[in-house]
Amino acid sequence: QKEVEQDPGPLSVPEGAIVSLNCTYSNSAFQYFMWYRQYSRKGPELLMYTYSSGNKEDGRFTAQVDKSSKYISLFIRDSQPSDSATYLCAMIGGFKTIFGAGTRLFVKA
Amino acid sequence: EAGVTQSPTHLIKTRGQQATLRCSPISGHTSVYWYQQALGLGLQFLLWYDEGEERNRGNFPPRFSGRQFPNYSSELNVNALELEDSALYLCASSGIQGDEQYFGPGTRLTVT
Repeated sequence: QKEVEQDPGPLSVPEGAIVSLNCTYSNSAFQYFMWYRQYSRKGPELLMYTYSSGNKEDGRFTAQVDKSSKYISLFIRDSQPSDSATYLCAMIGGFKTIFGAGTRLFVKA
Repeated sequence: EAGVTQSPTHLIKTRGQQATLRCSPISGHTSVYWYQQALGLGLQFLLWYDEGEERNRGNFPPRFSGRQFPNYSSELNVNALELEDSALYLCASSGIQGDEQYFGPGTRLTVT
């Protein structure tokens, strides 16, 4: 079993839709959680960083962490074609950082 | 504020050669992380340096090595290159362990 599981997609939605991206993890040592957006052939761009259970909002993005269920989510409201990218979850704990496989998102105009 | 920088952007080597990749962290950051992203695969953790010391390494052979300099910049060396080493190598930096990590644009290594 992988330490971090993330559905690779692809996920295709119409412009304006609410997008839900998810990751599950098995290691209780993970204490810090991040979401990145990566465009093709570019470095990942940090979208959200959180370390506590609950919701954190930043513009159109909301990160949700449920430590009891070992489940994290990223919601994107009013999705735009420019949001089309690969979204990576990442977790830090026990002196290591583990990334999910990434979910490819396509937002159709 | 300048972000994480990496050089070179592209690197082409032949099998058996050595490759050296460089990374400069965000000013004030002391931790540097190296990752490998092969085509179709996710980011694989390679190495973590903090305050000049190697703190942790991923599941890679010893021919992947590196160091961190007093100015916190870092170098990744890959010896005895193999075809499967072809990948995007990403460097990230953070202020302290557990802090959010910011990535550079990457170095694309091609081994022929």
